Amino acid sequence: NAGVTQTPKFQVLKTGQSMTLQCAQDMNHEYMSWYRQDPGMGLRLIHYSVGAGITDQGEVPNGYNVSRSTTEDFPLRLLSAAPSQTSVYFCASRTTRNTEAFFGQGTRLTVV
Amino acid sequence: AQSVTQPDIHITVSEGASLELRCNYSYGATPYLFWYVQSPGQGLQLLLKYFSGDTLVQGIKGFEAEFKRSQSSFNLRKPSVHWSDAAEYFCAVGVYDDKLIFGTGTRLQVFP
Repeated sequence: NAGVTQTPKFQVLKTGQSMTLQCAQDMNHEYMSWYRQDPGMGLRLIHYSVGAGITDQGEVPNGYNVSRSTTEDFPLRLLSAAPSQTSVYFCASRTTRNTEAFFGQGTRLTVV
Repeated sequence: AQSVTQPDIHITVSEGASLELRCNYSYGATPYLFWYVQSPGQGLQLLLKYFSGDTLVQGIKGFEAEFKRSQSSFNLRKPSVHWSDAAEYFCAVGVYDDKLIFGTGTRLQVFP
C-alpha cells in the first residue's frame, strides 16, 4: 500500500529554473494539499484541492501553480524558482475535511 | 482568519516525566482538531483527532488530548515520556473552508 508518493525526494535548482514536484495517492482521496515546511514556521498551506478540476489557494500561493486533472495526482509547479522557495515540501491527502490527512515523505528543494 | 498557536517552541523533559504540549486556535465555531508527530527526516503521523463528543480523546503511543471550548485549546498530554517520543509535534485545525491549518510546532527533547 503506497499511500502518498512524492517525487523527487531531493532537488537542487538554479534561480529562474522551473520544475514540477509530483504527488500521487492511491487511496481515492478527494482532498489533496501542498505544504511547505520552514524552520520555526511549521507547515504552511500553499494550494489545495477538494476534487478533480477544483483547486484553491492557501496561505502562501505566490510562485506556485497547481492543477488537478485526476483524483490521484496533484503536481506542484514552480515556474521560476527563487532562493526563498528553498524548503521541504509535503503533499497530503484526505477523504474529506473532517478526516485524517496522510502525508508523503517530503521533497527537499534547494534553490541556489 | 483562523489560526493555530503553539506557544512552546522547544520543550525538554526527563524520561518518565509527564508532558503537556499546548495548542490554542482561533475560529468562530468548533473546528476539527488534530495532533501530528514528525520524527527527523520523516513525514507526519497522526497521533489523535477530535471532531465532536467526548472532549478527552485517546491516541496512539499513549497520548491523549483534551478539547476545552471555553479556552479554545486542545492540549496534548502523556503521563510518562519515553526517549522515543523525542520529535516535533504539530497541532492542526480543519475548518469550514476545507483548509487544514497547522501550528508552528513544538520540538520535544527527552533526557535520560
